[in-house]
Amino acid sequence: EVQLVESGGGLVMPGGSLRLSCAASGFSFSSYTMNWVRQAPGKGLEWVSLISRGSDNIYYADSVKGRFTISRDNDKESLYLQMDSLRAEDTAVYYCARQYKFFDYWGQGVLVTVSS
Amino acid sequence: QSVLTQPPSASGTPGQSVTISCSGGSSNIGSNTVSWYQQLPGTAPKLLIFINNQRPSGVPDRFSGSKSGTSASLAISGLQSDDEADFYCAAWDDSLNGYVFGTGTKVTVL
Repeated sequence: EVQLVESGGGLVMPGGSLRLSCAASGFSFSSYTMNWVRQAPGKGLEWVSLISRGSDNIYYADSVKGRFTISRDNDKESLYLQMDSLRAEDTAVYYCARQYKFFDYWGQGVLVTVSS
Repeated sequence: QSVLTQPPSASGTPGQSVTISCSGGSSNIGSNTVSWYQQLPGTAPKLLIFINNQRPSGVPDRFSGSKSGTSASLAISGLQSDDEADFYCAAWDDSLNGYVFGTGTKVTVL
């Protein structure tokens, strides 16, 4: 069974940093491109970033470019999102999602709250 | 910022059909495949339709997708109470080099 489990969320002050993790199981993690997608409270879905199987292709949404860094460890079957210079508008539930031209499996999400 | 436009809401009585539109442009829907996601209240999104009109195993054939030019549609027939959810379209955007989601449509079963 495919499972994606996010962790690392919480409350952080504006300008602070947080690192999210996504632990994958039930499939060959190294064979899939992975993504982060977020959803602000009461709002729609917003794609954040993707990383290809071998980390050679990485893309970011303009809203997080220069502040967020996506990475992965295929040996540990884990995906990461390093979030720096956090702003109030980054407050959202963050989902990791497996990609095959579409997002076929999603984690349960982790809440990040940026507030003083 | 969403670049795919959906109606904010749609509704119908049990057994009726509803259709949700998703309007984009040449750099996204016009040149890439569309997927649809269902998000039940308080849960993570779930893949409903992929590659414009394909259903994953386990998704009832009451759900169908189509694409024409720079627009796509999701049709739900035989509406059921547990279809109440938010629905989102998505596609890769060649100009933005990223995925774009639709604005989302809340389906209500009256």
